[in-house]
Amino acid sequence: NAGVMQNPRHLVRRRGQEARLRCSPMKGHSHVYWYRQLPEEGLKFMVYLQKENIIDESGMPKERFSAEFPKEGPSILRIQQVVRGDSAAYFCASSLGTSGYEQYFGPGTRLTVT
Amino acid sequence: AQTVTQSQPEMSVQEAETVTLSCTYDTSENNYYLFWYKQPPSRQMILVIRQEAYKQQNATENRFSVNFQKAAKSFSLKISDSQLGDTAMYFCAFRSAGAGSYQLTFGKGTKLSVIP
Repeated sequence: NAGVMQNPRHLVRRRGQEARLRCSPMKGHSHVYWYRQLPEEGLKFMVYLQKENIIDESGMPKERFSAEFPKEGPSILRIQQVVRGDSAAYFCASSLGTSGYEQYFGPGTRLTVT
Repeated sequence: AQTVTQSQPEMSVQEAETVTLSCTYDTSENNYYLFWYKQPPSRQMILVIRQEAYKQQNATENRFSVNFQKAAKSFSLKISDSQLGDTAMYFCAFRSAGAGSYQLTFGKGTKLSVIP
């Protein structure tokens, strides 16, 4: 059973460009979470999605960031017009359910904005 | 809102020795989960151990064990017989056990170096 997959593992973007980060959850998991890890910090919750629905985006910046989890295909975290402060590691996790269920993390995407 | 505090930014331990990493948290809830995650240089987040607040018995996973003090809101991780592969960042995390709860709250981490 493949784990959570994220791609790309490393992404370099110039200021003003768009970044698209992909996450394929574990087989059978319909709950997806995105977390961001800034340098020297712990992970911080950004958004929680189920298939075709955003359940909680309270941790996501209101501007430039969006997320989706379509019926088919991976979950996408999209950052428009990237700035240097967006440089971070972005982790995706998936689970079978919420309370009581383990979240399994992917290897992360390291975004560098130059 | 819950907070998780790890007061030791860095620690080191000799190979084969024992080390304890500290974690405190703040919550008004009675039922919750606590976790320790390991992040090696590969950056993959690996679950080390999990504790349910309603269980009085401390969780153990091979060389890893916790000291859970609910009243003190303390959750330390003990690593016995430290190995070079234990070198990593260690994050303490909290999650409510309420219905529908999902959000993990992480501390800032402790960087552990195991010295040969």
